[in-house]
Amino acid sequence: KAGVTQTPRYLIKTRGQQVTLSCSPISGHRSVSWYQQTPGQGLQFLFEYFSETQRNKGNFPGRFSGRQFSNSRSEMNVSTLELGDSALYLCASRRDRINAGELFFGEGSRLTVL
Amino acid sequence: EDQVTQSPEALRLQEGESSSLNCSYTVSGLRGLFWYRQDPGKGPEFLFTLYSAGEEKEKERLKATLTKKESFLHITAPKPEDSATYLCAVQNNNAGNMLTFGGGTRLMVKP
Repeated sequence: KAGVTQTPRYLIKTRGQQVTLSCSPISGHRSVSWYQQTPGQGLQFLFEYFSETQRNKGNFPGRFSGRQFSNSRSEMNVSTLELGDSALYLCASRRDRINAGELFFGEGSRLTVL
Repeated sequence: EDQVTQSPEALRLQEGESSSLNCSYTVSGLRGLFWYRQDPGKGPEFLFTLYSAGEEKEKERLKATLTKKESFLHITAPKPEDSATYLCAVQNNNAGNMLTFGGGTRLMVKP
């Protein structure tokens, strides 16, 4: 069974640009969450989508947005990039609501903003 | 605001030298506490879920325990392949499915 797939794995952008990251969850998983990981702040929750609806949102500015498609694939977008947005962006899918904390993470998309 | 603090930040062990990692948490209503392992360049991998004080879970050389204020991850006779960053996270009853993570403990086991 294929795991969570994230693309691209690495990307470099400059300040002011925007970026779109993609995530394909494990087959059958309908929930997708996004986390930002930095050395200083650790792992921080961005948002969660379930059945194409945003269910939770973390404490990030509106420049960070996401969406989920009918096949459960998800994208997140960051507009007007800032240097501080450099991070590893992790996507995770979840099997069901009962084991809500058992997340299956992808390998992440490492974003560098210059 | 939920808070999770892990200690130590880094831990060096000799192969076979048992130790414990600590996760202290503050949460208004704990739904669950979770342990993950993260290898360099990889996403975190789920290890355990603990729901209530007194609960214990075991997997190979790892055992996780939970009290009302903290959790411990005990590593018995570690091997070099246990080297990784171990992350602790909590889920609040009132915060949906969001997890709040600690900063992690980087474990290095030398042969």
